[in-house]
Amino acid sequence: GENVEQHPSTLSVQEGDSAVIKCTYSDSASNYFPWYKQELGKGPQLIIDIRSNVGEKKDQRIAVTLNKTAKHFSLHITETQPEDSAVYFCAASPPKLSFGAGTTVTVRA
Amino acid sequence: DGGITQSPKYLFRKEGQNVTLSCEQNLNHDAMYWYRQDPGQGLRLIYYSQIVNDFQKGDIAEGYSVSREKKESFPLTVTSAQKNPTAFYLCASSSPRGGSFHNYGYTFGSGTRLTVV
Repeated sequence: GENVEQHPSTLSVQEGDSAVIKCTYSDSASNYFPWYKQELGKGPQLIIDIRSNVGEKKDQRIAVTLNKTAKHFSLHITETQPEDSAVYFCAASPPKLSFGAGTTVTVRA
Repeated sequence: DGGITQSPKYLFRKEGQNVTLSCEQNLNHDAMYWYRQDPGQGLRLIYYSQIVNDFQKGDIAEGYSVSREKKESFPLTVTSAQKNPTAFYLCASSSPRGGSFHNYGYTFGSGTRLTVV
């Protein structure tokens, strides 16, 4: 099955700086790569996703890049704010949606 | 507003007891999923259902059971056979597009935290 690895496991950034989270996947058939944000005590929420027919997608301060050849994809958050503090999960499918272990992001004021 | 409701938010189970976690959605989604979340391990799939009266085992189904009698509901029972049930349980749903259930974003509930006492 699909194996998704996510790094780093924790990330602390100064407010206003950028944060980058990287994921790799193993199944070359995977073509859908969503990112979820989970705040404390809540369920994950989809924040952005990318499909294998594009290399980059941007939504305001959030962007995702995909390198199919290398089988890795990354989440970039620019101009970080305190409300960006959360756990972020990457995922890949098909086959079933497989999640990375998560990155705890802390934005220091 | 449409969404997924999980209840209860906190649940305590005694050794040897079965407990059932509720998951209801009003999004008219066909597929529903149960995940278990442990610190540092991400989300692991327990069971999923793509249609009423049908469900499939995920990666860690042992010690769990589900039913899907209605489109809106997908309850999870944690049985006494589950040796380490303390975890955060998440229910999700999605709607298929292009014939695939797994290629589109999932909507998650707020979770149930189960603790064995």
